[in-house]
Amino acid sequence: RKEVEQDPGPFNVPEGATVAFNCTYSNSASQSFFWYRQDCRKEPKLLMSVYSSGNEDGRFTAQLNRASQYISLLIRDSKLSDSATYLCVVRGAPGAGSYQLTFGKGTKLSVIP
Amino acid sequence: DADVTQTPRNRITKTGKRIMLECSQTKGHDRMYWYRQDPGLGLRLIYYSFDVKDINKGEISDGYSVSRQAQAKFSLSLESAIPNQTALYFCATSDLKSGGSQETQYFGPGTRLLVL
Repeated sequence: RKEVEQDPGPFNVPEGATVAFNCTYSNSASQSFFWYRQDCRKEPKLLMSVYSSGNEDGRFTAQLNRASQYISLLIRDSKLSDSATYLCVVRGAPGAGSYQLTFGKGTKLSVIP
Repeated sequence: DADVTQTPRNRITKTGKRIMLECSQTKGHDRMYWYRQDPGLGLRLIYYSFDVKDINKGEISDGYSVSRQAQAKFSLSLESAIPNQTALYFCATSDLKSGGSQETQYFGPGTRLLVL
């Protein structure tokens, strides 16, 4: 099983749609979880951290299920500017050699007018 | 001005050549990282440094070396470039003090390297 797996994509959705991305991780000792956004030919940028209680930032909602080792990102009322690749990122436990970030391959989203 | 800069932004080189990619940051962060990104693969960590005297291998360090010349500078060298090192290379910085386990990594704009 790969360390961080994401929906294969690409997702092509109309403006205004709600879209959900899923991600699973293999290391049950993972401690921190993030969604990064990467525009075409640009650097990744943090979109939001993911907390156990779930968290929301405007149109974006992130959820974490530690028991299932599953992370999700929900985007409501999609905008053209949301078109990008979304990277699921996981950090392991300190001192285990896995403290660094592990990135998923990313899911590409295209929002269509 | 960008907080994390990388030079060059694009580079074409030949097999066997030694090249250096440079990264500078004005964020005052202690931690710096080098990643590579290949089509269809996630970012993979090459080397990282938690301070000037600390260098650690990442997932794919073979064929690469690094130098942390100062807190603000972290360079990546390919001693003898080979075609499968063709990739997009990103430098990143972070500061543990800013958020504990939620520390954010800030990426440079990337260097596109083509090895012929």
